[in-house]
Amino acid sequence: GDSVTQTEGPVTVSESESLIINCTYSATSIAYPNLFWYVRYPGEGLQLLLKVITAGQKGSSRGFEATYNKETTSFHLQKASVQESDSAVYYCALAGSFNKLTFGAGTRLAVCP
Amino acid sequence: DTTVKQNPRYKLARVGKPVNLICSQTMNHDTMYWYQKKPNQAPKLLLFYYDKILNREADTFEKFQSSRPNNSFCSLYIGSAGLEYSAMYLCASSRGLGYEQYFGPGTRLTVL
Repeated sequence: GDSVTQTEGPVTVSESESLIINCTYSATSIAYPNLFWYVRYPGEGLQLLLKVITAGQKGSSRGFEATYNKETTSFHLQKASVQESDSAVYYCALAGSFNKLTFGAGTRLAVCP
Repeated sequence: DTTVKQNPRYKLARVGKPVNLICSQTMNHDTMYWYQKKPNQAPKLLLFYYDKILNREADTFEKFQSSRPNNSFCSLYIGSAGLEYSAMYLCASSRGLGYEQYFGPGTRLTVL
């Protein structure tokens, strides 16, 4: 079946430092899945951070970026300079057949002031 | 409005008793999903409705039931709760297959 593996947390960085959360995927239900990063801020529900539906393309939102690399089956999340408000749990996910989402286990990010 | 609502937010249930969780959306989305999330694990799809057609995942087929009386509402039903059902249950909706899923805040179920 489909699977997603991402950086195991927690990840702790200082404010204004750069961040990368690794994500690799394996898709068996669909050849070119749509890829997503979801985020859950404290006390809130899951919300979409960014998505990319075409291999080779980059998605960006709120200063975060991720590039769909079908050669390495990766979709790493990066930010050049994190803020304390970025502290959250980040989930990498792919949409397989019937748009069913397969998530990674999540990466808890703590940004220290 | 891209809100998905879930009720209740917290649910306490006894082992062996039934549990019914409710999800609603007003976006006229034709697809609604239920996921189960346990601590330190990935959210796992349990089932989804595409319009009126229910699709249940093979490994949870007998454990969960669902109904969708109209386009806006979808329930998740557990006939006899066990300790292993303690988890966060997330509802999501999308306007169709291949479109973004919007998630509700979740219902935290604790089975004692």
